[in-house]
Amino acid sequence: QVQLKETGPDLVQLTQTLSITCTVSGFSLTTYNVHWVRQPPGKGLEWMGAMWNGGGTDYNSAFKSRLSISRDTSKSQVFLKMNSLQTDDTAKYFCARQLGGAFAYWGQGTLVTVSS
Amino acid sequence: DIQMTQSPPSLSASLGDKVTITCQASQNINKYIAWYQQKPGKAPRLLIRYTSTLESGTPSRFSGSGSGRDYSFSISNVESEDIASYYCLQYDNLWTFGGGTKLELK
Repeated sequence: QVQLKETGPDLVQLTQTLSITCTVSGFSLTTYNVHWVRQPPGKGLEWMGAMWNGGGTDYNSAFKSRLSISRDTSKSQVFLKMNSLQTDDTAKYFCARQLGGAFAYWGQGTLVTVSS
Repeated sequence: DIQMTQSPPSLSASLGDKVTITCQASQNINKYIAWYQQKPGKAPRLLIRYTSTLESGTPSRFSGSGSGRDYSFSISNVESEDIASYYCLQYDNLWTFGGGTKLELK
């Protein structure tokens, strides 16, 4: 069955770089698009960016040049890398698989705290 | 970028009530809107996409409608398991979530 799982650090220092891996199973990254979504504690959902099945990417302009998404299809992994972290980047980060435009399958999310 | 204005931010309902949540897009999104349910500590669950198409497993008491810029999501006969937060998502031009609605029991 379709599964996604995020792995990353629990704690990242202020101004440092966040790296999170989304490992998927049950489908191919060359067939489906995978997205990153985050949610600060007690707040709403925010779309961050997408890895297209063809290898291209799209990003939320709110993240400007801080965000980079890449993949390793041989390992069924999608990577999120975001630099210059601030305290308001503290959030649960989810990866999700697209189906018909919407996000139909989600990982459990990984909570990242940015510490000063 | 398309903005999604979701209202109300919170909603109090009794069991058996009908509740409605609305999302207004900053431009026409051609019915490309989905609705999610999220319970504390869990990932969002897709309930409806393309305005009114229920996902497999979504109870029929959930419904969606709308066109152009204005969309709504309703739960008829609210049940205790429906107590959660709800979000709209536009996917006409990139992706944008609404701010969310927290549904509580009165």
